[in-house]
Amino acid sequence: GNSVTQMEGPVTLSEEAFLTINCTYTATGYPSLFWYVQYPGEGLQLLLKATKADDKGSNKGFEATYRKETTSFHLEKGSVQVSDSAVYFCALSDATGGFKTIFGAGTRLFVKA
Amino acid sequence: DSGVTQTPKHLITATGQRVTLRCSPRSGDLSVYWYQQSLDQGLQFLIQYYNGEERAKGNILERFSAQQFPDLHSELNLSSLELGDSALYFCASTPGDRGSTEAFFGQGTRLTVV
Repeated sequence: GNSVTQMEGPVTLSEEAFLTINCTYTATGYPSLFWYVQYPGEGLQLLLKATKADDKGSNKGFEATYRKETTSFHLEKGSVQVSDSAVYFCALSDATGGFKTIFGAGTRLFVKA
Repeated sequence: DSGVTQTPKHLITATGQRVTLRCSPRSGDLSVYWYQQSLDQGLQFLIQYYNGEERAKGNILERFSAQQFPDLHSELNLSSLELGDSALYFCASTPGDRGSTEAFFGQGTRLTVV
């Protein structure tokens, strides 16, 4: 079945450091890929998405490119801020998966001032 | 504000009891999804409803059940509660049943079983 694997956390960075959170997926169809973010005490909110191969999703300085050849969707940000501290979830959904969204385990990011 | 409303926000109950969690999807959304997030774990998909009908089932225990009503709100019923059922329960909604659309999440219901 479909699945998402993302790097384990926590990830601790200093402010203005470069961030990469790795995400790979397994899917039998052609999934849409998402990054969601969960701030402390809140629900999940969409950070960015890409619906087909080679698409790049971007938002708030974060980027991720849909790589079909490597089945990856790594999240990057050039300069993190303390306010980026949160849990980040990579996710996919596709028709063969019954249209539900499947999430990775989440990666907790701590950014120190 | 995602437009998805979950009530209650917090719930504390004893083992063996039964509780009902409620979710109102975004206006116009037909699909509702329920997820369980345990401490230090990711989101486990429980069940999906589309326009009143069960569409997909995940790792949902037999003690748990759900339904979606004609007005599209959904309820998740948890019975014979155990300590291990303590978790955050999230509801999400999408316009239809196509997977390319992002899901909008509620704030969650934190269930504590004592």
